[in-house]
Amino acid sequence: SYELTQPPSVSVSPGQTARITCSADALPKQYAYWYQQKPGQAPVVVIYKDSERPSGIPERFSGSSSGTIVTLTISGVQAKDEADYYCQSADSSGSYVLFGGGTKLTVL
Amino acid sequence: QLQLQESGPGLVKPSETLSLTCIVSGDSISSSNYYWGWIRQPPGKGLEWIGNIYYTGSTYSNPSLQSRVTISVDTSKNQFSLKLSSVTAADTAVYYCARRTYYYDSSGYHGVFDYWGQGTLVTVSS
Repeated sequence: SYELTQPPSVSVSPGQTARITCSADALPKQYAYWYQQKPGQAPVVVIYKDSERPSGIPERFSGSSSGTIVTLTISGVQAKDEADYYCQSADSSGSYVLFGGGTKLTVL
Repeated sequence: QLQLQESGPGLVKPSETLSLTCIVSGDSISSSNYYWGWIRQPPGKGLEWIGNIYYTGSTYSNPSLQSRVTISVDTSKNQFSLKLSSVTAADTAVYYCARRTYYYDSSGYHGVFDYWGQGTLVTVSS
């Protein structure tokens, strides 16, 4: 098994770019998925397969992957983007799921 | 529009078994390419995957919980269920059910939780 590590918090001012990283401490490489969770709500997927954006998710949300680090980038951050963000991946079979510890995005 | 709704007791006594059901509407639970999962979130903490089930009954569970977890499916009622035995206060959490769309490409099998229930808080206390 392996772990996904995220920074506990990221803070940015409105209009700036927020980058949230998720690092895996071991291979094999599976795709990463990113979920946004606002207080009292269920998580919503904002990025799948490392960099794909579901329909209805604003273009300012993007994802990238380099080695064992995946990054969620939010360009032109808005106040409504303030939320907890979780990365998620799986083992090599794709059957066993794991989540990162979550990152609280604060919009100053 | 797919909807998932968790149901079950909000209060469970220590050492007893937590039982939850997820009712699926808007699609058949027997559709191929979908697993159905349980995820929990202790108050103020992060998400923890509990396990997934396919409509055939094939299951995968978090190794850290596997000895206490039973996940089952009832295709006739379009629902799936979670049982967690020997609960303690550490099992207090919001429990979510979700659909995991499962697919295969050149790099293997993958899946994304694309639909979630609203979640239900289960408190373990005497």
